[in-house]
Amino acid sequence: GAVVSQHPSRVICKSGTSVKIECRSLDFQATTMFWYRQFPKQSLMLMATSNEGSKATYEQGVEKDKFLINHASLTLSTLTVTSAHPEDSSFYICSAKSRVVYEQYFGPGTRLTVT
Amino acid sequence: GENVEQHPSTLSVQEGDSAVIKCTYSDSASNYFPWYKQELGKGPQLIIDIRSNVGEKKDQRIAVTLNKTAKHFSLHITETQPEDSAVYFCAASKRRNGGSQGNLIFGKGTKLSVKP
Repeated sequence: GAVVSQHPSRVICKSGTSVKIECRSLDFQATTMFWYRQFPKQSLMLMATSNEGSKATYEQGVEKDKFLINHASLTLSTLTVTSAHPEDSSFYICSAKSRVVYEQYFGPGTRLTVT
Repeated sequence: GENVEQHPSTLSVQEGDSAVIKCTYSDSASNYFPWYKQELGKGPQLIIDIRSNVGEKKDQRIAVTLNKTAKHFSLHITETQPEDSAVYFCAASKRRNGGSQGNLIFGKGTKLSVKP
């Protein structure tokens, strides 16, 4: 299957600071990228969907000014958590797909801890 | 909107036995049904998928069956091994009016434990 990478895999930041997570599709052009959040022992919660060159579409209840998403190229999307709070601590996972296929591939995830 | 129910939430089997995880979906327009395996601390890995024009698909020890009439699909793992232990998620999506595939709707997951 296709490969999606995420960086960093783990990050610890202080409350009030911002942190950026990168998601890259390594061997295909990702016309659409997704950002999910996952709490322990729970399913994946879709935060937003982004198409290359367009503004992200956020799910209901997700603050777009807090979770900034940029999908500037067909291989890179970034999620910036602004003014992080301890309650933002979670496992963030990106995924990517090409418009012409059904399959959606996930990155390895980023564990964010806000102290 | 679409709703995907997954059962059981936990499943424990002996090594070598078969494991079956079932999902039901609510939207009859759904046409794509992938299964993901997620190991602890890692992202979900696509292990098999099926489209609505097919009733069954097999890949070595893994198979997926789809019953469109009943709106349910199942994952079958035969000859289970300890490395099959993980959380498995089913999902469903449908084609949008514009032609692109809609977002995946996930089940709540099944924690499979394979005991040696």
